[in-house]
Amino acid sequence: TQLLEQSPQFLSIQEGENLTVYCNSSSVFSSLQWYRQEPGEGPVLLVTVVTGGEVKKLKRLTFQFGDARKDSSLHITAAQPGDTGLYLCAGGREGFQKLVFGTGTRLLVSP
Amino acid sequence: DTGVSQDPRHKITKRGQNVTFRCDPISEHNRLYWYRQTLGQGPEFLTYFQNEAQLEKSRLLSDRFSAERPKGSFSTLEIQRTEQGDSAMYLCASSFSRGSTDTQYFGPGTRLTVL
Repeated sequence: TQLLEQSPQFLSIQEGENLTVYCNSSSVFSSLQWYRQEPGEGPVLLVTVVTGGEVKKLKRLTFQFGDARKDSSLHITAAQPGDTGLYLCAGGREGFQKLVFGTGTRLLVSP
Repeated sequence: DTGVSQDPRHKITKRGQNVTFRCDPISEHNRLYWYRQTLGQGPEFLTYFQNEAQLEKSRLLSDRFSAERPKGSFSTLEIQRTEQGDSAMYLCASSFSRGSTDTQYFGPGTRLTVL
Protein backbone atom coordinates (compact mmCIF):
# COMPACT_ATOMS: atom_id res chain seq x y z
CA THR A 1 0.00 0.00 0.00
CA GLN A 2 1.47 3.31 -1.15
CA LEU A 3 0.63 5.84 1.55
CA LEU A 4 2.13 8.84 -0.24
CA GLU A 5 1.15 9.70 -3.80
CA GLN A 6 3.18 12.19 -5.77
CA SER A 7 2.07 14.07 -8.85
CA PRO A 8 3.01 14.49 -11.52
CA GLN A 9 5.13 11.39 -11.97
CA PHE A 10 7.14 13.00 -14.73
CA LEU A 11 7.64 16.63 -15.70
CA SER A 12 9.64 17.98 -18.63
CA ILE A 13 9.97 21.76 -18.81
CA GLN A 14 12.13 24.50 -20.25
CA GLU A 15 14.64 26.49 -18.25
CA GLY A 16 13.00 29.48 -16.56
CA GLU A 17 9.57 27.90 -16.08
CA ASN A 18 7.91 27.45 -12.71
CA LEU A 19 6.57 24.13 -11.44
CA THR A 20 4.83 22.54 -8.47
CA VAL A 21 5.10 18.96 -7.25
CA TYR A 22 2.43 17.55 -4.96
CA CYS A 23 2.66 14.89 -2.27
CA ASN A 24 -0.69 13.64 -0.94
CA SER A 25 -1.85 11.13 1.62
CA SER A 26 -4.93 10.15 3.59
CA SER A 27 -2.69 9.64 6.62
CA VAL A 28 -1.37 12.24 9.05
CA PHE A 29 2.38 12.58 9.31
CA SER A 30 4.36 14.10 12.16
CA SER A 31 7.04 15.26 9.73
CA LEU A 32 7.62 15.37 6.03
CA GLN A 33 10.94 15.43 4.27
CA TRP A 34 11.79 16.23 0.67
CA TYR A 35 14.77 14.65 -1.03
CA ARG A 36 16.35 14.97 -4.47
CA GLN A 37 18.02 11.95 -6.01
CA GLU A 38 20.25 11.73 -9.05
CA PRO A 39 20.78 8.50 -11.03
CA GLY A 40 22.99 6.02 -9.22
CA GLU A 41 23.14 8.09 -6.05
CA GLY A 42 21.32 8.17 -2.72
CA PRO A 43 18.61 10.72 -1.88
CA VAL A 44 19.91 14.10 -0.70
CA LEU A 45 17.84 15.90 1.92
CA LEU A 46 16.36 19.23 0.88
CA VAL A 47 14.10 20.12 3.78
CA THR A 48 12.14 18.80 6.77
CA VAL A 49 8.77 20.29 7.74
CA VAL A 50 7.03 19.39 10.98
CA THR A 51 4.28 21.95 11.65
CA GLY A 52 0.94 22.06 9.83
CA GLY A 53 0.87 25.06 7.51
CA GLU A 54 4.63 25.49 7.68
CA VAL A 55 6.36 27.09 4.70
CA LYS A 56 10.10 26.84 4.14
CA LYS A 57 12.15 28.44 1.41
CA LEU A 58 15.45 27.23 0.05
CA LYS A 59 16.60 29.70 -2.61
CA ARG A 60 14.21 29.07 -5.54
CA LEU A 61 12.47 26.17 -3.82
CA THR A 62 9.41 26.68 -1.61
CA PHE A 63 8.07 23.83 0.51
CA GLN A 64 4.70 23.79 2.23
CA PHE A 65 3.23 21.32 4.72
CA GLY A 66 -0.56 21.13 4.66
CA ASP A 67 -2.56 22.40 7.62
CA ALA A 68 -3.75 18.88 8.42
CA ARG A 69 -0.24 17.44 7.89
CA LYS A 70 -1.52 15.05 5.23
CA ASP A 71 -0.03 16.71 2.19
CA SER A 72 2.87 18.82 1.01
CA SER A 73 4.01 20.71 -2.05
CA LEU A 74 7.29 21.75 -3.58
CA HIS A 75 7.35 24.80 -5.83
CA ILE A 76 10.36 25.66 -7.95
CA THR A 77 10.67 29.14 -9.42
CA ALA A 78 12.64 29.73 -12.61
CA ALA A 79 13.80 26.15 -12.96
CA GLN A 80 17.36 25.49 -14.09
CA PRO A 81 18.92 22.40 -15.72
CA GLY A 82 20.69 21.74 -12.42
CA ASP A 83 17.27 21.10 -10.84
CA THR A 84 16.91 17.95 -12.95
CA GLY A 85 16.45 14.85 -10.82
CA LEU A 86 14.02 12.62 -8.95
CA TYR A 87 12.14 14.44 -6.19
CA LEU A 88 10.92 12.27 -3.33
CA CYS A 89 8.70 13.17 -0.42
CA ALA A 90 8.92 11.01 2.69
CA GLY A 91 6.65 11.03 5.72
CA GLY A 92 7.45 10.17 9.30
CA ARG A 93 4.78 9.11 11.73
CA GLU A 94 4.63 9.45 15.50
CA GLY A 95 6.13 6.43 17.20
CA PHE A 96 7.53 4.97 13.99
CA GLN A 97 11.12 5.50 12.94
CA LYS A 98 10.88 4.44 9.33
CA LEU A 99 10.14 6.88 6.54
CA VAL A 100 7.37 6.18 4.06
CA PHE A 101 8.40 7.41 0.65
CA GLY A 102 6.27 8.74 -2.15
CA THR A 103 6.33 7.40 -5.68
CA GLY A 104 8.67 10.16 -6.85
CA THR A 105 8.50 12.92 -9.45
CA ARG A 106 11.10 12.84 -12.18
CA LEU A 107 11.93 16.39 -13.34
CA LEU A 108 13.79 17.23 -16.53
CA VAL A 109 14.73 20.85 -17.14
CA SER A 110 16.01 21.55 -20.63
CA PRO A 111 18.20 24.56 -21.49
CA ASP B 1 32.76 16.41 7.17
CA THR B 2 31.98 12.85 6.18
CA GLY B 3 28.49 11.73 5.38
CA VAL B 4 27.11 8.23 5.25
CA SER B 5 29.33 5.90 3.24
CA GLN B 6 28.49 2.55 1.70
CA ASP B 7 30.66 -0.17 0.25
CA PRO B 8 30.70 -1.50 -2.39
CA ARG B 9 28.91 0.94 -4.68
CA HIS B 10 28.13 -1.78 -7.18
CA LYS B 11 27.89 -5.54 -6.88
CA ILE B 12 27.19 -8.06 -9.60
CA THR B 13 26.63 -11.61 -8.48
CA LYS B 14 25.21 -14.86 -9.74
CA ARG B 15 21.96 -16.25 -8.45
CA GLY B 16 22.49 -18.36 -5.35
CA GLN B 17 25.59 -16.53 -4.14
CA ASN B 18 25.80 -14.65 -0.84
CA VAL B 19 26.58 -10.94 -0.72
CA THR B 20 27.40 -8.54 2.11
CA PHE B 21 27.16 -4.76 2.10
CA ARG B 22 28.65 -2.34 4.58
CA CYS B 23 27.38 1.02 5.82
CA ASP B 24 29.29 3.58 7.87
CA PRO B 25 26.93 6.17 9.36
CA ILE B 26 27.68 9.77 10.31
CA SER B 27 29.83 9.39 13.39
CA GLU B 28 27.58 10.87 16.08
CA HIS B 29 24.39 9.28 14.75
CA ASN B 30 22.88 6.56 16.93
CA ARG B 31 20.20 5.35 14.49
CA LEU B 32 20.92 3.48 11.29
CA TYR B 33 18.42 2.40 8.64
CA TRP B 34 18.42 0.14 5.61
CA TYR B 35 16.09 0.72 2.65
CA ARG B 36 15.72 -0.94 -0.73
CA GLN B 37 14.86 0.93 -3.91
CA THR B 38 13.84 -0.70 -7.17
CA LEU B 39 13.79 1.06 -10.51
CA GLY B 40 11.13 3.74 -10.75
CA GLN B 41 10.08 3.46 -7.11
CA GLY B 42 10.76 5.29 -3.90
CA PRO B 43 12.87 3.58 -1.23
CA GLU B 44 11.16 0.97 0.96
CA PHE B 45 12.10 0.44 4.58
CA LEU B 46 13.88 -2.79 5.51
CA THR B 47 15.15 -2.42 9.07
CA TYR B 48 16.62 -0.03 11.60
CA PHE B 49 18.99 -0.02 14.56
CA GLN B 50 19.25 2.18 17.58
CA ASN B 51 22.84 1.80 18.68
CA GLU B 52 23.47 -1.95 18.37
CA ALA B 53 19.86 -3.06 18.86
CA GLN B 54 17.78 -3.97 15.82
CA LEU B 55 14.39 -2.54 16.74
CA GLU B 56 12.23 -3.05 13.65
CA LYS B 57 12.22 -5.30 10.60
CA SER B 58 9.98 -5.02 7.58
CA ARG B 59 8.11 -7.96 6.10
CA LEU B 60 10.28 -7.34 3.04
CA LEU B 61 13.22 -8.70 5.03
CA SER B 62 12.93 -12.41 4.32
CA ASP B 63 14.88 -15.13 6.14
CA ARG B 64 17.64 -14.77 3.57
CA PHE B 65 18.38 -11.24 4.77
CA SER B 66 20.26 -10.44 7.95
CA ALA B 67 21.56 -7.15 9.26
CA GLU B 68 23.93 -6.43 12.11
CA ARG B 69 25.39 -3.45 13.86
CA PRO B 70 27.74 -5.14 16.32
CA LYS B 71 29.27 -2.15 18.10
CA GLY B 72 26.66 0.47 17.35
CA SER B 73 28.81 1.99 14.64
CA PHE B 74 28.96 0.46 11.14
CA SER B 75 26.36 -2.00 9.92
CA THR B 76 26.34 -4.92 7.49
CA LEU B 77 23.49 -6.28 5.42
CA GLU B 78 23.88 -9.83 4.16
CA ILE B 79 21.74 -11.53 1.56
CA GLN B 80 22.07 -15.30 1.32
CA ARG B 81 21.20 -17.36 -1.75
CA THR B 82 20.51 -14.29 -3.85
CA GLU B 83 17.62 -14.28 -6.29
CA GLN B 84 17.06 -12.13 -9.36
CA GLY B 85 14.30 -10.31 -7.49
CA ASP B 86 16.91 -9.05 -5.03
CA SER B 87 18.36 -6.79 -7.73
CA ALA B 88 17.91 -3.25 -6.42
CA MET B 89 19.67 -0.27 -4.88
CA TYR B 90 20.30 -0.84 -1.18
CA LEU B 91 20.38 2.42 0.72
CA CYS B 92 21.65 3.11 4.20
CA ALA B 93 20.66 6.16 6.23
CA SER B 94 21.54 7.46 9.67
CA SER B 95 20.09 9.93 12.13
CA PHE B 96 20.57 11.33 15.60
CA SER B 97 17.48 10.71 17.71
CA ARG B 98 15.87 13.88 18.99
CA GLY B 99 12.29 12.81 19.22
CA SER B 100 9.71 10.65 17.56
CA THR B 101 10.99 11.09 14.01
CA ASP B 102 14.46 12.17 13.04
CA THR B 103 15.91 13.63 9.88
CA GLN B 104 17.60 10.80 8.00
CA TYR B 105 20.70 11.28 5.87
CA PHE B 106 21.32 8.79 3.13
CA GLY B 107 24.45 7.21 1.72
CA PRO B 108 25.16 6.79 -1.99
CA GLY B 109 23.76 3.27 -2.04
CA THR B 110 24.95 -0.14 -3.21
CA ARG B 111 23.49 -1.27 -6.52
CA LEU B 112 23.06 -5.04 -6.59
CA THR B 113 22.60 -6.92 -9.84
CA VAL B 114 21.80 -10.62 -9.60
CA LEU B 115 22.34 -12.50 -12.86
